[in-house]
Amino acid sequence: DGGITQSPKYLFRKEGQNVTLSCEQNLNHDAMYWYRQDPGQGLRLIYYSQIVNDFQKGDIAEGYSVSREKKESFPLTVTSAQKNPTAFYLCASSIGGGASWSQPQHFGDGTRLSIL
Amino acid sequence: GQNIDQPTEMTATEGAIVQINCTYQTSGFNGLFWYQQHAGEAPTFLSYNVLDGLEEKGRFSSFLSRSKGYSYLLLKELQMKDSASYLCAVRGTLSGNTGKLIFGQGTTLQVKP
Repeated sequence: DGGITQSPKYLFRKEGQNVTLSCEQNLNHDAMYWYRQDPGQGLRLIYYSQIVNDFQKGDIAEGYSVSREKKESFPLTVTSAQKNPTAFYLCASSIGGGASWSQPQHFGDGTRLSIL
Repeated sequence: GQNIDQPTEMTATEGAIVQINCTYQTSGFNGLFWYQQHAGEAPTFLSYNVLDGLEEKGRFSSFLSRSKGYSYLLLKELQMKDSASYLCAVRGTLSGNTGKLIFGQGTTLQVKP
């Protein structure tokens, strides 16, 4: 059963702590994305990656970092520099490349991050 | 700048029809997506429009007018399970050869008995 798995479902961060959100997909998609969703707001793009070992900043990359060492995995680290990390984080993937024009992004179930 | 507007909230009655509008101003246009998102869950893909006109998928239809920068999602025979947020997302030409999307803030639909 193909899909996107995000873990953990809930995460708590202490002051000054870095935390890493996991995102794994078995859809054989080239492109992966991280979004942040705040109440009453749309999804805002944090980082995206079109291919292994390459990634680009989105609209709100400050205070976040990512890696793309494997096609299946795109972990997001929320660093202590992110002063307002409380949000719902969504990971997505899509086919990518020239075929991406009409293909939808598929989403994981999200991780809800809160500050202790 | 790039902007997508949707109504924040809508209410409708079970069995009725509801239309959720989306207007957009983006740098170019390469397609518009509608997603459904239940509270605390992942968005799920509903429809895609790239040419003007109506796309029908069962109880859901989506319309696009590129000249007006306008789309709507039409939900027929509303069911209680249709209570959710509906997200409009546009792929502009600044996305280049990527799947990057710009999302509206979403419309929360409440279906009442």
